[in-house]
Amino acid sequence: GQNIDQPTEMTATEGAIVQINCTYQTSGFNGLFWYQQHAGEAPTFLSYNVLDGLEEKGRFSSFLSRSKGYSYLLLKELQMKDSASYLCAVKDSNYQLIWGAGTKLIIKP
Amino acid sequence: DAMVIQNPRYQVTQFGKPVTLSCSQTLNHNVMYWYQQKSSQAPKLLFHYYDKDFNNEADTPDNFQSRRPNTSFCFLDIRSPGLGDAAMYLCATSGDRAGANVLTFGAGSRLTVL
Repeated sequence: GQNIDQPTEMTATEGAIVQINCTYQTSGFNGLFWYQQHAGEAPTFLSYNVLDGLEEKGRFSSFLSRSKGYSYLLLKELQMKDSASYLCAVKDSNYQLIWGAGTKLIIKP
Repeated sequence: DAMVIQNPRYQVTQFGKPVTLSCSQTLNHNVMYWYQQKSSQAPKLLFHYYDKDFNNEADTPDNFQSRRPNTSFCFLDIRSPGLGDAAMYLCATSGDRAGANVLTFGAGSRLTVL
């Protein structure tokens, strides 16, 4: 079966750096997405990786290793507003999006 | 601004009383999706439309139906809601299914079943 694994919850301190990992096992691969979801709100797009390596976008970066079935989202200079769930999703060979359950990130002052 | 709009944002219904949730989009996207999301869980795809082509997920209960009368609008009908159907229902659109096409979500409709 297809599977996405992410830690359930992480805690970090305001101003620090946090890395959220995602491992996947899917039937084929057509890209990996990271979405941010604040409590009670809809997911919003953060990043897309289809080739190996690091994609940087401001305070957020996303890394992909296709051979290892692994990605991470790196958040720098954490702010209180970064408290949210972070969802990893992989597009399989049929272009279906397989979603992880999300990592709830708690930021402490 | 181009966007995806869902109505109502909050819906309370009684057990077994039909509910219709609506979604409209000004992005002119071909693909429209309906997801069900329960607390701390991954979004679960119920069905999607690729233009007028309807695609039902194998494990979507018959209790859930959908209509897409035109490009801009899509509806989710829950014929006889049960307590287990209480959830956030998310509508999303994308230009296409392939590759880097990003899903744009509406704000969601939270359904409570009494």
